[in-house]
Amino acid sequence: DTAVSQTPKYLVTQMGNDKSIKCEQNLGHDTMYWYKQDSKKFLKIMFSYNNKELIINETVPNRFSPKSPDKAHLNLHINSLELGDSAVYFCASSQAIANNSPLHFGNGTRLTVT
Amino acid sequence: DQQVKQNSPSLSVQEGRISILNCDYTNSMFDYFLWYKKYPAEGPTFLISISSIKDKNEDGRFTVFLNKSAKHLSLHIVPSQPGDSAVYFCAASTGTASKLTFGTGTRLQVTL
Repeated sequence: DTAVSQTPKYLVTQMGNDKSIKCEQNLGHDTMYWYKQDSKKFLKIMFSYNNKELIINETVPNRFSPKSPDKAHLNLHINSLELGDSAVYFCASSQAIANNSPLHFGNGTRLTVT
Repeated sequence: DQQVKQNSPSLSVQEGRISILNCDYTNSMFDYFLWYKKYPAEGPTFLISISSIKDKNEDGRFTVFLNKSAKHLSLHIVPSQPGDSAVYFCAASTGTASKLTFGTGTRLQVTL
């Protein structure tokens, strides 16, 4: 009964490949996010969706494409993977986009590009 | 351009003592601040938050203090327990939770 689950937990792939990370939340939340934690441990917002609509798209290369088929799912597809994409990717959700609506994070997907 | 800074990468405290984790920010538009706790191989979990209209918020052993003039906040854990050993992230937002800016974290080790 995990609240925010993302798969896979580990992903090792070669440069140039295309890969997807899936995320599902069973909290009934309206808003979902993708965050990236790089090697320097910075945790940065990539995308935010509210009721399946994209509301935040930070300066992320267009090789990254989020897809939200419904409110409970937000998948991340990455084309033409590069070495610099190696990081831990966290999915998260919140009940609303209001300030006092804390984020619930998944356990992360460690992506290694070789 | 690091708008939220946690200048101490690590902190070691004895069990039963107070742990004080610090966070500084540069963006005066931030109006909501949060602390998250992270165990290895898990995602961050929400711990406590404070609005910019307050200077203190308390929840059990955890208290967050906000000093707006100094653009500084701190998390106090009293008494510290071994289970508190984790990485603590400070985060801030401007009016909406849709975009949190995180610090780089402080690793707290509570020793016996």
